[in-house]
Amino acid sequence: EDQVTQSPEALRLQEGESSSLNCSYTVSGLRGLFWYRQDPGKGPEFLFTLYSAGEEKEKERLKATLTKKESFLHITAPKPEDSATYLCAVQAGTGGFKTIFGAGTRLFVKA
Amino acid sequence: EAGVAQSPRYKIIEKRQSVAFWCNPISGHATLYWYQQILGQGPKLLIQFQNNGVVDDSQLPKDRFSAERLKGVDSTLKIQPAKLEDSAVYLCASSFSGAGVDTQYFGPGTRLTVL
Repeated sequence: EDQVTQSPEALRLQEGESSSLNCSYTVSGLRGLFWYRQDPGKGPEFLFTLYSAGEEKEKERLKATLTKKESFLHITAPKPEDSATYLCAVQAGTGGFKTIFGAGTRLFVKA
Repeated sequence: EAGVAQSPRYKIIEKRQSVAFWCNPISGHATLYWYQQILGQGPKLLIQFQNNGVVDDSQLPKDRFSAERLKGVDSTLKIQPAKLEDSAVYLCASSFSGAGVDTQYFGPGTRLTVL
């Protein structure tokens, strides 16, 4: 069964304390992996798309990496405004593509 | 560029009542998605449209949920009758083509509470 698992469920950091969020997946025919940020009461906001193992993308304090089994979202020197839920999603399949989301990691950054 | 619009933003109903949600995708986007997001969980795809046609509705509870996308633009999602477990945020998303790896852009969602 296709599955996306994110860990940890919640992460509390001090401002400036770097860390990583994990997204592991078991799907058939991975086409792409997405990272989204979701603030309370809002829809997910697109961050990155990764297509193949070894690929990396960066945006401000965020860096996403992809291997054949998992993706990491590295947060360098986080600030309180980085507090949000980070969602990972995979698009997979042959022919028709399914989108499967993980449950998310809730990140809290304290000043 | 205007984003995905949804209305209403909030809705409270009694169980067994009916409710409808509306979505207007980003202009020019052929593919439209409806997701259900229960508190503390990731979004779950309910139905995907490519223009007017349904691409995937395998997780749509068809005994109570229905959706349509007339003229390949706006879409409505209806629940009739609602159950307590339908309390969730209903997210609409759109993407340019739906072919290959296609970034989905989300609206703000409609928070449904069923009492």
